[in-house]
Amino acid sequence: NAGVTQTPKFRVLKTGQSMTLLCAQDMNHEYMYWYRQDPGMGLRLIHYSVGEGTTAKGEVPDGYNVSRLKKQNFLLGLESAAPSQTSVYFCASSLGQFPVETQYFGPGTRLLVL
Amino acid sequence: DQQVKQNSPSLSVQEGRISILNCDYTNSMFDYFLWYKKYPAEGPTFLISISSIKDKNEDGRFTVFLNKSAKHLSLHIVPSQPGDSAVYFCAASALNTGNQFYFGTGTSLTVIP
Repeated sequence: NAGVTQTPKFRVLKTGQSMTLLCAQDMNHEYMYWYRQDPGMGLRLIHYSVGEGTTAKGEVPDGYNVSRLKKQNFLLGLESAAPSQTSVYFCASSLGQFPVETQYFGPGTRLLVL
Repeated sequence: DQQVKQNSPSLSVQEGRISILNCDYTNSMFDYFLWYKKYPAEGPTFLISISSIKDKNEDGRFTVFLNKSAKHLSLHIVPSQPGDSAVYFCAASALNTGNQFYFGTGTSLTVIP
């Protein structure tokens, strides 16, 4: 069981470039999440998905798009990267909604936008 | 607007002593709280949780206390061990936010051997 994996681990982008971060989970979880972590701030939710084919906005969705075409994968896209998107990105998954389910996190992707 | 706050960025404790990590929240609708532990270059891992119907939950060396009137929770680690050195995040959720969690900024705990 790999749990939650993230690809890539580290990436450097130039302003305006695009990229996709991949999250994969092998726990058959319904819910998946993308967070970003910045210095001096807690993890903030970007987008989440409550099942295959569904997505919803979180706390800080602007500048990002997501897709959940397969239950095990959740993709985070940056169409035109900006320096403000320099951050560490964490993907997480959970079994369901109620009772509140513990989220399992991936190891993170460090993104630097120059 | 930070709804969950951890006002101590760092804490150092001697091995064997008690570590107390604090967390405050502003949203009175929050009804479920969790603590996560994070080592460098790894994702956060779940440590312990508490529902708003309780004021204490214990799991081995870890105890979480909830004071709803003060909108405050704390994590006690007794006895502290060097392997406990990590960043600790508290998180809160409300029924009407589904499974969306709001995280604090984290407290870096160092346990000195």
